[in-house]
Amino acid sequence: GQNIDQPTEMTATEGAIVQINCTYQTSGFNGLFWYQQHAGEAPTFLSYNVLDGLEEKGRFSSFLSRSKGYSYLLLKELQMKDSASYLCAVMDSNYQLIWGAGTKLIIKP
Amino acid sequence: DGGITQSPKYLFRKEGQNVTLSCEQNLNHDAMYWYRQDPGQGLRLIYYSQIVNDFQKGDIAEGYSVSREKKESFPLTVTSAQKNPTAFYLCASSRTGHSGANVLTFGAGSRLTVL
Repeated sequence: GQNIDQPTEMTATEGAIVQINCTYQTSGFNGLFWYQQHAGEAPTFLSYNVLDGLEEKGRFSSFLSRSKGYSYLLLKELQMKDSASYLCAVMDSNYQLIWGAGTKLIIKP
Repeated sequence: DGGITQSPKYLFRKEGQNVTLSCEQNLNHDAMYWYRQDPGQGLRLIYYSQIVNDFQKGDIAEGYSVSREKKESFPLTVTSAQKNPTAFYLCASSRTGHSGANVLTFGAGSRLTVL
């Protein structure tokens, strides 16, 4: 079956760096997405990786290793507003998105 | 501003009643989706549509129905056949359905509670 694994919850300190991991097993691969979702709100797009390597976008970076079925989202200079859930999703060979359960990130002052 | 509007934001239903959740987009996107979000689980696809007057079942379509009579609108009906309808429902759209870089734009969600 298809599976996406991410930690359920993580805690970090304001101003620090945190890495949220995502491992996947899917039928084919057409890209990996990260979305941010504040409680009770709509998910918003953060990043898309289809080739191996690191994509940097401001304070957020996303890394992909297709051979390892692994990605991470790196958040730098954490701010209180970064407290949210982070959703990892993989597009399979049929262009269907398979979603992880999300990682709830708690930022402490 | 372009976006997706879902209504109502909160909805309470008695058992045995059908309810319809509205989803409207002004992004000129071809593809639209309905997802269900439950605590501790990933988003699960209910239905999707890549073109007007056509739609396909997702992973958990039983007890739900949709229509796509206009490009902008993709309403979801939760029928009395859905055994556990209490959930957070998310509507999304994208420019096209079959593309790798298929970024979804989501609505703010509708929270349905069955009493």
